[in-house]
Amino acid sequence: EAQVTQNPRYLITVTGKKLTVTCSQNMNHEYMSWYRQDPGLGLRQIYYSMNVEVTDKGDVPEGYKVSRKEKRNFPLILESPSPNQTSLYFCATAVGYEQYFGPGTRLTVT
Amino acid sequence: TQLLEQSPQFLSIQEGENLTVYCNSSSVFSSLQWYRQEPGEGPVLLVTVVTGGEVKKLKRLTFQFGDARKDSSLHITAAQPGDTGLYLCAGAGAEYGNKLVFGAGTILRVKS
Repeated sequence: EAQVTQNPRYLITVTGKKLTVTCSQNMNHEYMSWYRQDPGLGLRQIYYSMNVEVTDKGDVPEGYKVSRKEKRNFPLILESPSPNQTSLYFCATAVGYEQYFGPGTRLTVT
Repeated sequence: TQLLEQSPQFLSIQEGENLTVYCNSSSVFSSLQWYRQEPGEGPVLLVTVVTGGEVKKLKRLTFQFGDARKDSSLHITAAQPGDTGLYLCAGAGAEYGNKLVFGAGTILRVKS
């Protein structure tokens, strides 16, 4: 089954404690991206990757890092999380503009 | 300010009623998509429209792209509780670096 998986699905952490959210896809898509979803603001793109070893900033990249060492994986790294990064995070792949989203990771930073 | 304005923000209706959700912008888009998101899940693509004036139907859902490619609508006929969810429109165009921009969404609740 074609899918995008994310782990963990839920995470509660404290300010400053580094964390990584993993994303993996089995669709062999070159394009992957990370979004955050906040009430009233919709989905905003954090980072995207056009292919292996190619990453670029989206609309809200501050406080986040990504890496793309292999085609199927695109982890999101928060080096020093802060409460304003509490949000619902989605990883997605794309073919053209059509996005295929993972199930989401709900992050709470206290 | 949202680049894509969706209205209404919330809609609560009875099963069997019809409804229309709107997605408006001052910008021209080369393509526009509609997604549905259910609680605890990621958005799922419903349709992509690319031609001004285009109309696409998906069972009881009718999608229309405006003639000027600046707006779109989603009409649901005889809504059912299974239609409940968050409906998102998203547009792509040269003005936004060919990235996808999302509206804030319309929350639809269909009561039985």
